[in-house]
Amino acid sequence: DGGITQSPKYLFRKEGQNVTLSCEQNLNHDAMYWYRQDPGQGLRLIYYSQIVNDFQKGDIAEGYSVSREKKESFPLTVTSAQKNPTAFYLCASSIGTGGLNTEAFFGQGTRLTVV
Amino acid sequence: KQEVTQIPAALSVPEGENLVLNCSFTDSAIYNLQWFRQDPGKGLTSLLLIQSSQREQTSGRLNASLDKSSGRSTLYIAASQPGDSATYLCAANSGNTPLVFGKGTRLSVIA
Repeated sequence: DGGITQSPKYLFRKEGQNVTLSCEQNLNHDAMYWYRQDPGQGLRLIYYSQIVNDFQKGDIAEGYSVSREKKESFPLTVTSAQKNPTAFYLCASSIGTGGLNTEAFFGQGTRLTVV
Repeated sequence: KQEVTQIPAALSVPEGENLVLNCSFTDSAIYNLQWFRQDPGKGLTSLLLIQSSQREQTSGRLNASLDKSSGRSTLYIAASQPGDSATYLCAANSGNTPLVFGKGTRLSVIA
């Protein structure tokens, strides 16, 4: 089945550690996104990528890093510089980022907790 | 910059009632408006997508409308069921930018 796979479902991070969240899609979409969701909040954009080897910062990129070496994969690293990383992280993809091609499809999310 | 607002934040209705969820956006030059459903602890499921040239879209008991001039979209749910209980999010994009989300409306349908 086509879709977006995020792993792991749950992730625990110690203070000062970097952790990487995985996102893989087999929809042949060019664009991929990472959003963060906090309780009672909408989704806030962290990073997005329109094409392989290119990505742009979203509204809350500080403390995060990404790479886009393959069309299918867009991993997110939460670095030790992110002061409040506990949140629900959602990955999405779409055909493109502009115009009429932005219908987005989401993975099931990764819940990150700092311990 | 596009901003999206959803009111109310929470809504509780008895089973069988028809209901309307509201979404407003600031930039009327939108390309798409998309409605999603989110169950607790889960990802988002796309319900309906309305392109800028369309006025409404329907899927089963769901109907979404778009009024660009007033900056509003509504999601109409007919004959609500307890299984409709979830958080409903709307998102819009304008220009060459990713979707911007509202904070959602948490719906409870009481049997």
